[in-house]
Amino acid sequence: NAGVMQNPRHLVRRRGQEARLRCSPMKGHSHVYWYRQLPEEGLKFMVYLQKENIIDESGMPKERFSAEFPKEGPSILRIQQVVRGDSAAYFCASSLRWGQEGQFFGPGTRLTVL
Amino acid sequence: KQEVTQIPAALSVPEGENLVLNCSFTDSAIYNLQWFRQDPGKGLTSLLLIQSSQREQTSGRLNASLDKSSGRSTLYIAASQPGDSATYLCAVSPESNYKLTFGKGTLLTVNP
Repeated sequence: NAGVMQNPRHLVRRRGQEARLRCSPMKGHSHVYWYRQLPEEGLKFMVYLQKENIIDESGMPKERFSAEFPKEGPSILRIQQVVRGDSAAYFCASSLRWGQEGQFFGPGTRLTVL
Repeated sequence: KQEVTQIPAALSVPEGENLVLNCSFTDSAIYNLQWFRQDPGKGLTSLLLIQSSQREQTSGRLNASLDKSSGRSTLYIAASQPGDSATYLCAVSPESNYKLTFGKGTLLTVNP
């Protein structure tokens, strides 16, 4: 049973470009969460999605960031007009149901903004 | 606002030693607590999950305890090995929702 998959693993963008990060949850999981780990910081919650629905995006910056989890295909975290401060590791997690079995994390995408 | 603190920030021990990592949280209204391992440049591997109604969980050489009322959890690693070297993260899930709040981790180095 494949775990949570994320791609790309490393992404380099220049300031002003767009970054698209993809996450495929574990088989059978319909809950997806995105977290960001800034250098020297702990992981911070960004957004929680179920298929075709954004449940909670309270941790996501209001500008330039968006997320989706379509009926078919992976969840996408999109960052428009990236700035150096967006450089971080972005982790996706999935769960079968929220809470009971915990969240299972992918390997992360390391975004570097030049 | 929930805050999670992990002490120590870094720990270096000789191989074979038993050790304890500490995690404290400010809001005791939690649903569960997870311990993760993070290797450099890698993702998070879930080690143990303790529900709020439980006191401890064990997996192999790992034992995690939870004292919800005092806002504390410990991760005990027996007979440490160099392969245990990693950053260990503690995260709590509040009763009201799913947002994990993480500590900054303990960087463990086990020397051969």
